[in-house]
Amino acid sequence: NAGVTQTPKFQVLKTGQSMTLQCAQDMNHEYMSWYRQDPGMGLRLIHYSVGAGITDQGEVPNGYNVSRSTTEDFPLRLLSAAPSQTSVYFCASSYQGGGNSPLHFGNGTRLTVT
Amino acid sequence: DQQVKQNSPSLSVQEGRISILNCDYTNSMFDYFLWYKKYPAEGPTFLISISSIKDKNEDGRFTVFLNKSAKHLSLHIVPSQPGDSAVYFCAAKALTGTASKLTFGTGTRLQVTL
Repeated sequence: NAGVTQTPKFQVLKTGQSMTLQCAQDMNHEYMSWYRQDPGMGLRLIHYSVGAGITDQGEVPNGYNVSRSTTEDFPLRLLSAAPSQTSVYFCASSYQGGGNSPLHFGNGTRLTVT
Repeated sequence: DQQVKQNSPSLSVQEGRISILNCDYTNSMFDYFLWYKKYPAEGPTFLISISSIKDKNEDGRFTVFLNKSAKHLSLHIVPSQPGDSAVYFCAAKALTGTASKLTFGTGTRLQVTL
């Protein structure tokens, strides 16, 4: 079972460059989300989606865009990277956003912005 | 404003003994709590959860206790094993609504020594 797949695993960007972090899940989950993990901060929600065509902001959405054109994919776009976006990014999905469905996480993308 | 707090960044326990990881929350709307375990270079994986209608949930060596009046929960691991060495995140959410967002604590690094 592939579960939640994130690409790339590592990325180095220069300030001002753009890139897209890819996330795909094969569990037919309706709910998908992006978190960033920073030392001493835990995991913080960036954006989430309750289904194809529907997205909403989380706790730290500034500097990031998302779209959800299919159930399987939920890419995260950085339009103009900043050093403050250096972090480990995790994509997660669950059967439903409400209720007691646990999140399933990918293995993360480690991003460094110089 | 950290709504979910894990005040111990690290914990060291001998193999075979009990590990107790603590978590406090401030948001009274939270009514579902989860523990995730994270190994290096991997995403968090779901470990155990508890609803606010219960005060204890057990799964093998893992037991979560919830004290609603104190807004406190704890994870007990008995007996601790070297493979339990990981970072443990406490998380909370409100079950109401169509898209409940998971709020994470900052994590506790558990080291189980031989």
